Amino acid sequence: DTGVSQDPRHKITKRGQNVTFRCDPISEHNRLYWYRQTLGQGPEFLTYFQNEAQLEKSRLLSDRFSAERPKGSFSTLEIQRTEQGDSAMYLCASSLLGLDNEQFFGPGTRLTVL
Amino acid sequence: AQKITQTQPGMFVQEKEAVTLDCTYDTSDPSYGLFWYKQPSSGEMIFLIYQGSYDQQNATEGRYSLNFQKARKSANLVISASQLGDSAMYFCAMRGLRGGGNKLTFGTGTQLKVEL
Repeated sequence: DTGVSQDPRHKITKRGQNVTFRCDPISEHNRLYWYRQTLGQGPEFLTYFQNEAQLEKSRLLSDRFSAERPKGSFSTLEIQRTEQGDSAMYLCASSLLGLDNEQFFGPGTRLTVL
Repeated sequence: AQKITQTQPGMFVQEKEAVTLDCTYDTSDPSYGLFWYKQPSSGEMIFLIYQGSYDQQNATEGRYSLNFQKARKSANLVISASQLGDSAMYFCAMRGLRGGGNKLTFGTGTQLKVEL
């Protein structure tokens, strides 16, 4: 395991459909973060986990968004009833508690909602 | 609340020259960290350098150095001896180090293009 992985890399869906993304952090990392990046902007924080506990959620995370990290390893981000405004790159990052000066990012999942 | 401002949407530099990418920040946290990330066209965010607000010396990592001026609330990235592979989007970011604020707040980025 050499880094954070995300699946899928690209997702095209129709408005109103549900989508789910997966993130596998670096194996020993206990903190996991989700960010969203729209075109021409920097990433915006969505939520983060320490082990399996979701410790913080952004106001950007509407009721249609839910994230889980059931066993403190991989995480999923689900978007229900997708809207065109959800089109963005969804980035996952992980870090080690106490060494949060470096968050390692995955390659991202690019979502396009038609 | 934290805010990062990057006022240069795009920069050009000639190969082997040095370039400075500007970043100013605003925060009410007494203790914070400042970061620079590189994002090539492939999309992955690559960590470059970190500066803690109480660090006495400016951070350096190879060809990257961070010009930290606390009173001016600036954290400019200096890339020396630019290479063609440095062409990418560069983001300045910060996080508070107290109150459990682990999230990063990013600026809008600077697109750097290195020319021959």
